Amino acid sequence: AQTVTQSQPEMSVQEAETVTLSCTYDTSESNYYLFWYKQPPSRQMILVIRQEAYKQQNATENRFSVNFQKAAKSFSLKISDSQLGDTAMYFCAFMKAAGGTSYGKLTFGQGTILTVHP
Amino acid sequence: ETGVTQSPTHLIKTRGQQVTLRCSSQSGHNTVSWYQQALGQGPQFIFQYYREEENGRGNFPPRFSGLQFPNYSSELNVNALELDDSALYLCASSSQGSGNTIYFGEGSWLTVV
Repeated sequence: AQTVTQSQPEMSVQEAETVTLSCTYDTSESNYYLFWYKQPPSRQMILVIRQEAYKQQNATENRFSVNFQKAAKSFSLKISDSQLGDTAMYFCAFMKAAGGTSYGKLTFGQGTILTVHP
Repeated sequence: ETGVTQSPTHLIKTRGQQVTLRCSSQSGHNTVSWYQQALGQGPQFIFQYYREEENGRGNFPPRFSGLQFPNYSSELNVNALELDDSALYLCASSSQGSGNTIYFGEGSWLTVV
């Protein structure tokens, strides 16, 4: 079984600053996907960024980037130039890639509440 | 807008009652997964349906059951409701051949009193 751990229950950052959210995971799988999801007060789960484990290059989406350390089983999210709209709960999630029937079965961490202050 | 719609958005039930939640998946997606998210927690996988068959189940009792229809929409049924069933229920749709794109609905808030 996989586990995902987010050790920071809450984080805060000033607008325009940079913040890093931490995530560690445990798995015996060699091929998998990792995700960061954002859940604002509206509760809609929004995909922020994803990383394929077989890719060594860290994923980047505009102001969002990850630091993927496969050997350490670490997957942190860096948000640059933080904006007020980034205020939300952020979840790290794991999904096995072992065959087509694994798609959609996500294991989530406990979440980190991020508050961006003006 | 993800194209995944859930109904109802909010509902209140009494302990012991039964509830049905519905999900219409993103066009072209043949897989629907259901998650339970208690307040302040991460979502927990309940089960997944692929082409109308259950395709994996999390650690939930049999009173949690589901269906998937030929148009790939899905229902989550919970019998004998307990107070701890109060949560946000999320539906996620995906396609086995889509390169792991997963879309979530906005969820159904269930309160059991």
